[in-house]
Amino acid sequence: AQTVTQSQPEMSVQEAETVTLSCTYDTSESDYYLFWYKQPPSRQMILVIRQEAYKQQNATENRFSVNFQKAAKSFSLKISDSQLGDAAMYFCAYSSYNTDKLIFGTGTRLQVFP
Amino acid sequence: EAQVTQNPRYLITVTGKKLTVTCSQNMNHEYMSWYRQDPGLGLRQIYYSMNVEVTDKGDVPEGYKVSRKEKRNFPLILESPSPNQTSLYFCASSSGMVNNEQFFGPGTRLTVL
Repeated sequence: AQTVTQSQPEMSVQEAETVTLSCTYDTSESDYYLFWYKQPPSRQMILVIRQEAYKQQNATENRFSVNFQKAAKSFSLKISDSQLGDAAMYFCAYSSYNTDKLIFGTGTRLQVFP
Repeated sequence: EAQVTQNPRYLITVTGKKLTVTCSQNMNHEYMSWYRQDPGLGLRQIYYSMNVEVTDKGDVPEGYKVSRKEKRNFPLILESPSPNQTSLYFCASSSGMVNNEQFFGPGTRLTVL
């Protein structure tokens, strides 16, 4: 069975600085998807970024980028130029290639200080 | 506007009183699922449905029922709620295509006393 581990329950960053959230996963599959979801205080689940395992190039979305290390089964999220609105719970998630089921990590709460 | 809606958003009930949380999507998605979110555990899948009349258990199905009579609706039924079902519940849908992007509803905060 696949598992997702987020070892940082809480992180903090100064506004305009860069922060990296860690995620590791375990799977025997070769094709899969990885995601980062943001959950602000509104509780809405917002997709931040998605990575296909067959792509070697790391995904980027504006200030958000990932460091995908397939051999190490690592999928970290880097937030550059942090903003107050980035404060939220962040979940790392895994999905097999042939299913839409998401397997989530336990989340990292990010605080952003002015 | 493409969206997944859930009702109610908040619910406080008592042990044993049957309840239904509705979920509806307007994107003609094949795949729908329910997750529960608990502190320190992340989100866990309760049930999912690949299409109309096709449902299956997720990782934590005990105490829940679902049905999929129409493509757009996927209600979650708690026949006899218990306090350990106090949680935040999310409905999600996706097209079932290989992009695997799921759209989440706004969540339902359930408290069972």
